[in-house]
Parts: sequence; structure tokens; C-alpha cells
Amino acid sequence: DVKVTQSSRYLVKRTGEKVFLECVQDMDHENMFWYRQDPGLGLRLIYFSYDVKMKEKGDIPEGYSVSREKKERFSLILESASTNQTSMYLCASTLPQDYGYTFGSGTRLTVV
Amino acid sequence: AQTVTQSQPEMSVQEAETVTLSCTYDTSESDYYLFWYKQPPSRQMILVIRQEAYKQQNATENRFSVNFQKAAKSFSLKISDSQLGDAAMYFCAYRTFSNSGYALNFGKGTSLLVTP
Repeated sequence: DVKVTQSSRYLVKRTGEKVFLECVQDMDHENMFWYRQDPGLGLRLIYFSYDVKMKEKGDIPEGYSVSREKKERFSLILESASTNQTSMYLCASTLPQDYGYTFGSGTRLTVV
Repeated sequence: AQTVTQSQPEMSVQEAETVTLSCTYDTSESDYYLFWYKQPPSRQMILVIRQEAYKQQNATENRFSVNFQKAAKSFSLKISDSQLGDAAMYFCAYRTFSNSGYALNFGKGTSLLVTP
């Protein structure tokens, strides 16, 4: 089975800190995604990547950036964390020609 | 912008009864996939059922079935013989072939409570 691993389950950071959320998948999935999940808002797409070093903005990219230096790793970066970025972050991956998605178990980030 | 609407933020069902969760979506594409995902408190997203838009037959997976009305852009989920383990957040989603690197577009979710 494909596994998507998010490095932290819970994370507490201070306002203004630079925060890295890591996501690693152990199959040869080309497409990777970062979502933000908030109560009453569902999952919203932040960024996605369809190849190494390729990235595209999703619906809510403001305040975030991403990095994909290797195929298996997709990092979400909060350049200067703010309290309104307190949320649950979910990573997912898939193959373009497939419709099976694999999700990580999420990182709950609190910015204080 | 989200184009998947789940009009029921919360639903409740008694054990062994049947419940239907509603979902409508908006796309101009003719070919796409539709999904229902379950998210229990463990947070792990679990695929419940999926439907290819070109298929007229409604998908079924054991106690879970869908009512897919393509013209109405409606994709409801029916859970039969509800069990306590069905309690979770349920998300409706779709994916087209032309958008956003095949990203899933999600609704806001329906929280399902199952009472004994």
C-alpha cells in the first residue's frame, strides 16, 4: 500500500516563525497536494505539484510556499507564521492517470 | 473557489437505520470522477465510494451506495444499516481531467452522528 507520511501530528509554533511541514510518499506518485482543513470550510487546496521542482498555486496560497526537490517529498512552508494559519494540514498524492488518492494523517498546527 | 455543496452540516441516524447525505457540484466538464470520503476522529481520510461520471449505473460498496444524477449534478450517499463505526465527517469531492493537476475539490463536509 502507498503510504503518505506527515512528519508531525501536532505542532505548536510562535507568531513570526518559519514553519516547515513535511510530506513523504513511498510510491512513485507524480502529483502531490497540500490542503488546509478548517471546521465548516472543508478542505481547501493550498498548493500542488505535478513533478519535481514544479508547483502550482491552489485556491488559498497566500502566506504559504512549497518545495519539491525530490519526487517523494513535498514540503509546505509558512514563511512567517500567523495565528490565522492555525489549522489542520493534510497532504495527499496520486498518479495522474489514476483516481486513487492517498492521504497523510494530518498535522494540526497551532500558532501562538 | 469551492464548487461542491453539502447542504447538511450535521446529520443524525439511529443504529441499523438508513441515512442519506446530499451533495451537489458544479462543473462544465463532461468527464470527471466523484468521491465520498470518510474522516473519523483519527483524521485519516478513507475512501468510501467513487463514481465515474460516464457510468450510468450507480456505484455500490456493501452498505454504501450513491444516487448519481448527472443532469442535476447531484451525488448523494446512502448508508444502509448504519453502524456506530459510521460516525465520522463525510466529504463529497470531485476531480476533473483538466483542472489543478487532478486535485480533488471538496465540499464543506457533513458530520454524521450515529446513536444506539
